[in-house]
Amino acid sequence: AQTVTQSQPEMSVQEAETVTLSCTYDTSESDYYLFWYKQPPSRQMILVIRQEAYKQQNATENRFSVNFQKAAKSFSLKISDSQLGDAAMYFCAYRSWDYKLSFGAGTTVTVRA
Amino acid sequence: GAVVSQHPSWVICKSGTSVKIECRSLDFQATTMFWYRQFPKQSLMLMATSNEGSKATYEQGVEKDKFLINHASLTLSTLTVTSAHPEDSSFYICSALGLAGGPGETQYFGPGTRLLVL
Repeated sequence: AQTVTQSQPEMSVQEAETVTLSCTYDTSESDYYLFWYKQPPSRQMILVIRQEAYKQQNATENRFSVNFQKAAKSFSLKISDSQLGDAAMYFCAYRSWDYKLSFGAGTTVTVRA
Repeated sequence: GAVVSQHPSWVICKSGTSVKIECRSLDFQATTMFWYRQFPKQSLMLMATSNEGSKATYEQGVEKDKFLINHASLTLSTLTVTSAHPEDSSFYICSALGLAGGPGETQYFGPGTRLLVL
């Protein structure tokens, strides 16, 4: 399994502000996918955003965007205009050729009203 | 689209009994499903990969005789925890991978099953 590292166990952000979650990974593959999943208190895993490694352009989904640095093996998630509903645990995940996902340890995001 | 269901959502059982958890892809066909285990405030740990019509492949350290997986159709995979013990208590999550042309590159997750073994 690939190693995925999320170095921030917890992050706090003021409502309407921006927060960036970091993620690094280790791989020798050239083609792969990266994902950010959100897990709210209900524990339902929700796909936030995905990035194909062969695409140079950073993925964006509404208020969520990534900064994908392939050479540095870095894949950070930016949440803009944070909302109370963004409070959750966020997992970075790496998908290898066999479709298996390797998850980071997760970052708990708290949104202050 | 890409909805995955799990049943039951929670179950309490006595030590020594077996428990079956179902995972269904509701609006797409899934050639491959995955089973994960998650402890409180921890990450997801992949237990096994389930392919329709073939035997499941288990991750290292996962007892295949304890966690029986069957993927009988393109929309249903089951996980049976046999002779459950308190240490098997956990949150079990399945995910489904679509066929090519569908949501093929992304795993969609079920809502999870909370198992408590007394």
